[in-house]
Amino acid sequence: AQTVTQSQPEMSVQEAETVTLSCTYDTSESDYYLFWYKQPPSRQMILVIRQEAYKQQNATENRFSVNFQKAAKSFSLKISDSQLGDAAMYFCAYRSTSRDDKIIFGKGTRLHILP
Amino acid sequence: EPEVTQTPSHQVTQMGQEVILRCVPISNHLYFYWYRQILGQKVEFLVSFYNNEISEKSEIFDDQFSVERPDGSNFTLKIRSTKLEDSAMYFCASQNLPRAFLAFFGQGTRLTVV
Repeated sequence: AQTVTQSQPEMSVQEAETVTLSCTYDTSESDYYLFWYKQPPSRQMILVIRQEAYKQQNATENRFSVNFQKAAKSFSLKISDSQLGDAAMYFCAYRSTSRDDKIIFGKGTRLHILP
Repeated sequence: EPEVTQTPSHQVTQMGQEVILRCVPISNHLYFYWYRQILGQKVEFLVSFYNNEISEKSEIFDDQFSVERPDGSNFTLKIRSTKLEDSAMYFCASQNLPRAFLAFFGQGTRLTVV
């Protein structure tokens, strides 16, 4: 079964600095999707960035980028120029492209932004 | 931009009562999902629904739970006899294809069982 592991329960970063959140996953499949979701205090789930496993190029969305290392099964999120509004819980997630149709989430990393 | 809408945003119910959580998926979507997040824990899959039947369900989704698309627009999750441990955030999601690259999540319903 696929699993997603986020080893950092909490992180802090100074405003305007860069922070990297770690995520590793386990799967026997070769094609899949990976996601980072942001959950602010309102507890809404907001998609931050997504990556298709067959693409070698790392996805970027403005200040957010990923470092996708397929062989190492690693999918870290880098947030540049951190802003106070980035404070939230961040979930790494996996979805198979061929098997069951659910999204598997990690336990999350709570990110604090220090002014 | 189209969005998935969930109502109510917060529901408080007494233990043993039935509760129905409602979701309006995006109009041309065909695949629907419920996820649950107990406070402080990860988001967990409950059930997927397509063509008016359950496609897949997790071990959490026992006989106390049921889903329905009663009128072609709403997608509901019913919990027959709520327990304290059902207190959680419940998220509805929809998409137009299975195993899609983009799933649209609603804003969630916070269920509190007292």
